Amino acid sequence: QVQLVESGGGVVQPGRSLRLSCAASGFSFRSYGMIWVRQAPGRGLEWVAVIYYDGSIKYYVDSVKGRFTISRDNSKNTLYLQMNSLGVDDTGVYYCASVRRGGGWYFDYWGRGTLVTVSS
Amino acid sequence: QSVLTQPPSVSAAPGQRVTISCSGSSSNIENNYVSWYQQLPGTAPKLLIYDNNKRPSGIPDRFSGSKSGTSATLGITGLQTGDEADYYCGTWDSSLSAGGFGGGTKLTVL
Repeated sequence: QVQLVESGGGVVQPGRSLRLSCAASGFSFRSYGMIWVRQAPGRGLEWVAVIYYDGSIKYYVDSVKGRFTISRDNSKNTLYLQMNSLGVDDTGVYYCASVRRGGGWYFDYWGRGTLVTVSS
Repeated sequence: QSVLTQPPSVSAAPGQRVTISCSGSSSNIENNYVSWYQQLPGTAPKLLIYDNNKRPSGIPDRFSGSKSGTSATLGITGLQTGDEADYYCGTWDSSLSAGGFGGGTKLTVL
């Protein structure tokens, strides 16, 4: 069955960096786009970054542009999110999800998330 | 601040029908497809509806989606206590070159 397992979260001071990973199994990872979605405590979902199946195209929400980098290693079935210059507003649970394309994009499988806490 | 607008909460009795609205604009809903997600307390989101009105396998036909102009709607019939959750709409925004979600709607089954 499809499994997405995030890791790499933790407590980090403002201005520092963190790299999240998402290990995928149970589907053809190299054939599908992937996305990172985050959720601040008690808040709604926020689209963070998406990457095409081959890594050729990436999109970011404005609030993370220039600070976060999404990447993938199809040989390792793993998605990454490099987060630099972290701020308190980056605190939340980070989910990875697979991106399917019908008429539009939608996210059919989700991991359980990894918690990132930015605090001094 | 979300690009899509949802009511913060809705409620209805077991067995009844409820609708959740998602309002956007010409740069998102009107010219793109909408998906809906259910997030039960303490769990990851789950896909309910994609491409405006299609259900993934395993999603009961009590859940339906529709779209008209700059708005989309999620409908749930035969409400059950297990439907209590947060519901989010999502789509692409052409002006932002990024996707977005609504702020979420908390469903309470009284």
